[in-house]
Amino acid sequence: EIVMTQSPATLSVSPGERATLSCRASQSVSSSYLSWYQQKPGQAPRLLMYGTSTRATGVPARFSGSGSGTEFTLTISSLQSEDFAVYYCQQYNNWPVTFGGGTKVEIK
Amino acid sequence: QVQLVESGGGVVQPGKSLTLSCAASGFTFSSYGLHWVRQAPGKGLEWVAFISHGGNNVFSADSVKGRFTISRDDSKNSLSLQMNSLRVDDTAVYYCAKDYCPGGGCHGHYFDSWGQGTLVTVSS
Repeated sequence: EIVMTQSPATLSVSPGERATLSCRASQSVSSSYLSWYQQKPGQAPRLLMYGTSTRATGVPARFSGSGSGTEFTLTISSLQSEDFAVYYCQQYNNWPVTFGGGTKVEIK
Repeated sequence: QVQLVESGGGVVQPGKSLTLSCAASGFTFSSYGLHWVRQAPGKGLEWVAFISHGGNNVFSADSVKGRFTISRDDSKNSLSLQMNSLRVDDTAVYYCAKDYCPGGGCHGHYFDSWGQGTLVTVSS
């Protein structure tokens, strides 16, 4: 199974600043079969990004994704109050699909 | 809009059984694969099981293989997860999630809609 590792575990950022979240795969995720989810406390996850860099419906343009192979990044260009949450990456190149352990973005 | 509503969670003793259900609306249920994904308290997400549109293909995580069975009833727009021989480490919120791909034939699986989850607590 492909192991997904996210870093950092916690990211402290001030509103308006840029946040960069990393996701590393234990083996290559071909054709960019990588998605990102946002989860707020007490809520279900929400799809943010798929195919590495395609925003899901309704996701603001301040969210962007990039990467290939084993290294992927989610960038939030200017953090808004509603963006403070936990973010998970997920590979869907192989069965079983697997998630990273999450990065918590908290207010600095 | 897509709605997924889970039910059936609760407190159960180790070794016992429990069945979860997911009622779906807002999309053509029979056309989509469906998943169960769980999240232990304070932990990350773990994919549990998948059933394809039509129900012909079923996959489950090694951690639940032989104990959990996923099924669907397209006439009722309903997804189920039969959980047997429950263990303490099965304690989690269980989410029903819709696959992105209509009709199959797509590569890989990610989740474009999620229910709010139902909590299963396995404890003596």
